[in-house]
Amino acid sequence: ETGVTQSPTHLIKTRGQQVTLRCSSQSGHNTVSWYQQALGQGPQFIFQYYREEENGRGNFPPRFSGLQFPNYSSELNVNALELDDSALYLCASSLDRGLEKLFFGSGTQLSVL
Amino acid sequence: RKEVEQDPGPFNVPEGATVAFNCTYSNSASQSFFWYRQDCRKEPKLLMSVYSSGNEDGRFTAQLNRASQYISLLIRDSKLSDSATYLCVAGGSYQKVTFGTGTKLQVIP
Repeated sequence: ETGVTQSPTHLIKTRGQQVTLRCSSQSGHNTVSWYQQALGQGPQFIFQYYREEENGRGNFPPRFSGLQFPNYSSELNVNALELDDSALYLCASSLDRGLEKLFFGSGTQLSVL
Repeated sequence: RKEVEQDPGPFNVPEGATVAFNCTYSNSASQSFFWYRQDCRKEPKLLMSVYSSGNEDGRFTAQLNRASQYISLLIRDSKLSDSATYLCVAGGSYQKVTFGTGTKLQVIP
């Protein structure tokens, strides 16, 4: 519906493992932002990529890293998973770093055991 | 103190009622404001932007009070389909937006 797809939809990992989440942006959108949403909380900004470069970062440790590719797909990588990393991870695509009209994917539900 | 604060609710209102949500933000440098709607464990979707002069979209009215640093959303003639969590958003710069924790609305038949 939004043209933004995320994979996988659900994932279970154990503490200490590494995970890669993927996002395919809406066609033509050169900006992607990643958010973490814990249960009962609002989405928390992780970082934003614009034309393949990190363009801003929230209060997340370096073990959260990302990549954006020329075709505007992107990845969120999390190393050394902790139990508190269990959350819904959302990517949002937009045009030219704009705040308006963030188009969200349906998210990846990550459970860390 | 959280950057964007909302009453989590839930607000339980009958169909046809008018309901209002408020949201406060702490960063006076915030320049852009939005309301998003999120259905249970689904992605947020933009409901409306909030402009200084206030704006209306059908049954929804958004207001911004910069002096008091709060944003409001008014929903008139509530429908069952309005049941959702409403997220207040403040943007301080183009690379970061801050979401509130959301206010849950349940419209009752």
